Amino acid sequence: AQSVTQLDSHVSVSEGTPVLLRCNYSSSYSPSLFWYVQHPNKGLQLLLKYTSAATLVKGINGFEAEFKKSETSFHLTKPSAHMSDAAEYFCVVSEPAAGNKLTFGGGTRVLVKP
Amino acid sequence: GAGVSQTPSNKVTEKGKYVELRCDPISGHTALYWYRQSLGQGPEFLIYFQGTGAADDSGLPNDRFFAVRPEGSVSTLKIQRTERGDSAVYLCATKRGQGKSDTQYFGPGTRLTVL
Repeated sequence: AQSVTQLDSHVSVSEGTPVLLRCNYSSSYSPSLFWYVQHPNKGLQLLLKYTSAATLVKGINGFEAEFKKSETSFHLTKPSAHMSDAAEYFCVVSEPAAGNKLTFGGGTRVLVKP
Repeated sequence: GAGVSQTPSNKVTEKGKYVELRCDPISGHTALYWYRQSLGQGPEFLIYFQGTGAADDSGLPNDRFFAVRPEGSVSTLKIQRTERGDSAVYLCATKRGQGKSDTQYFGPGTRLTVL
């Protein structure tokens, strides 16, 4: 069975400083991993995805994540936070054997201080 | 092109009533998923369609929940005898095929409130 743990439920950063959102996963097979963002009263938007190609994945809005199989981690980073980055972020795993259904972590709410 | 659309955007109903939630997929997307997002939590899988058939309904919480996709396009999630615990945002997502690299695109959701 697949599962995802997001290690921080809330993260607070100052504008212009780095952002780190931590994610660990459990999967029986070679998984695909995703980060989605959800702004208040908006739909889920894909930030980036890993599907067994390069382990360092670049996404939209300056975000990137690194797949580390030995650590079963897929942490999300951004060098410099912007006010518009304030949102809820979800780490997600899927497996072909499970019909590619998505299993979400509990989410990390990011607050950006001016 | 048009994204995934869901109607209604909001639905308020009374305990014990029947509701239907509709999802219109992106044109050409054969795979369709329903998820439920309770307040303060991540979305949870309900059911997955490949074409017209439900390939995996293991996430449906009980037999009050049912979903159909009769022509392999639009899907309807049906909830009988609604309970207050059914209140949540119901999300639909679709993707082009069965490949692991295919992205699931989410609709805006239907917020269901059971009074």
